[in-house]
Amino acid sequence: KAGVTQTPRYLIKTRGQQVTLSCSPISGHRSVSWYQQTPGQGLQFLFEYFSETQRNKGNFPGRFSGRQFSNSRSEMNVSTLELGDSALYLCASSFSPVLGNEQFFGPGTRLTVL
Amino acid sequence: AQKITQTQPGMFVQEKEAVTLDCTYDTSDQSYGLFWYKQPSSGEMIFLIYQGSYDEQNATEGRYSLNFQKARKSANLVISASQLGDSAMYFCAMREGDRGSTLGRLYFGRGTQLTVWP
Repeated sequence: KAGVTQTPRYLIKTRGQQVTLSCSPISGHRSVSWYQQTPGQGLQFLFEYFSETQRNKGNFPGRFSGRQFSNSRSEMNVSTLELGDSALYLCASSFSPVLGNEQFFGPGTRLTVL
Repeated sequence: AQKITQTQPGMFVQEKEAVTLDCTYDTSDQSYGLFWYKQPSSGEMIFLIYQGSYDEQNATEGRYSLNFQKARKSANLVISASQLGDSAMYFCAMREGDRGSTLGRLYFGRGTQLTVWP
C-alpha cells in the first residue's frame, strides 16, 4: 500500500511569488491535514480537509489556502511568499477524523524562500 | 498555554539501555488522544504509539511503551533496549475529541532530540 506522497519534495522561490504544494493521501483515506514545521515555531497546524470540506483551520494568514479534490488529493497554496514561509510542509492523511485514527505523514515539501 | 510540553530538548542514551522521554499535556476535554511520533533527519514523521484518554492500560508497541498518568497529565514515552537507529527527534502530540469539528488537528510539542551512542 503506497504511503502519503507529496510533490515537489524541494522548492525554491523568491519573495512575492506564489507556490502550490500537492499531497496524495493513502488510498481510501479521506482526511488530509497540513502542518508547517520551522525551527522557530515548531510544528503548527495549517488546515484539515475531509470529503472536500475544510473542517478546521489554524492560525495562519489568508495567504495560506488549500483545497481537497473528489479523489481526496489535496493542494495548499501560499501567495505572496515571505521569507518566514521557508519551512518543511507536512501533509498527513487518515481514514477519517476519528480520535484514535492514526495520521500518516508524507515526506514533506521543503520550501525555501529567497 | 502550551497544549503539549516536552521539557527535554536533548537526551542521550547508550545502546541497549532504556530511555524515557517526557511529555505533559493540557486540555479540558474529557476525550482526547495522545500520540508519539519519530522524525529522523530525513523529515518524515513516523507514528510510534497511541493512547486514548479512556484507555485503562498503558499502550505498548514493541520496544515502545507509553507511561500514561492521567491525573498528572503526563504521557511519557519509554524506549527499551535503545538502538543506534533510534537516534531522531521525538514528538509528543495530542488530539482533542470533545468537539467533533477539531478531531483532525494534532497539537505537537517542541520535540526531544534523542541520541543513541554505542
